[in-house]
Amino acid sequence: QVQLQESGPGLVRPSETLSLTCTVSGGSISSGSYYWSWIRQPAGKGLEWIGRIYTSGSTNYNPSLKSRVTISVDTSKNQFSLKLNSVTAADTAVYYCARWIAVAGTGYYFDYWGQGTLVTVSS
Amino acid sequence: EIVLTQSPDFQSVTPKEKVTITCRASQSIGSSLHWYQQKPDQSPKLLIKYASQSISGVPSRFSGSGSGTDFTLTINGLEAEDAAAYYCHQSSSLPLTFGGGTKVEIK
Repeated sequence: QVQLQESGPGLVRPSETLSLTCTVSGGSISSGSYYWSWIRQPAGKGLEWIGRIYTSGSTNYNPSLKSRVTISVDTSKNQFSLKLNSVTAADTAVYYCARWIAVAGTGYYFDYWGQGTLVTVSS
Repeated sequence: EIVLTQSPDFQSVTPKEKVTITCRASQSIGSSLHWYQQKPDQSPKLLIKYASQSISGVPSRFSGSGSGTDFTLTINGLEAEDAAAYYCHQSSSLPLTFGGGTKVEIK
């Protein structure tokens, strides 16, 4: 059973950089046809896809955040990470990491999610 | 960007009633539409993939239909444990997008 767990500071100051890590267990981050994604959800609101990374290091970002986002992968630690710079209060949200399956014949969708971590941007 | 519009935003339903949630895409996405259930303080859980394909372990009262731009999630015989927010999600093109969500409350 694959499990994902987010970790990182729960409080970030405005204009600073939000940094989160997702640790994958129960399977190798390098195996199979998977992309590893970050998604966020402000309190009481819907889901916003931030971006994703393939094990090769290839990335795709949401154009709305692209100028501020970097997603990276560390296969030796079975982790991938999110950095969002120049944060404001509008970046306050629960941040989820999730696995995106991309297998011909099976499909392309999110199959496993982390439990989420609340990040508050405040001075 | 493909915009997904869900309706209604909120629904208060009596147990055993039928629930219908719709999701409309701003352009045709074939059947690349998936439904997720999110209970309070939990992460989303996949309910239906590719508009109508069932997921192992998901109760059979959940079903999906549609293609192109119009999709429906149906809960036949609502149970108390189904109180949650429901989101549609498209995987047809980047950026990946989600609908705004439908909150289902049990009367």
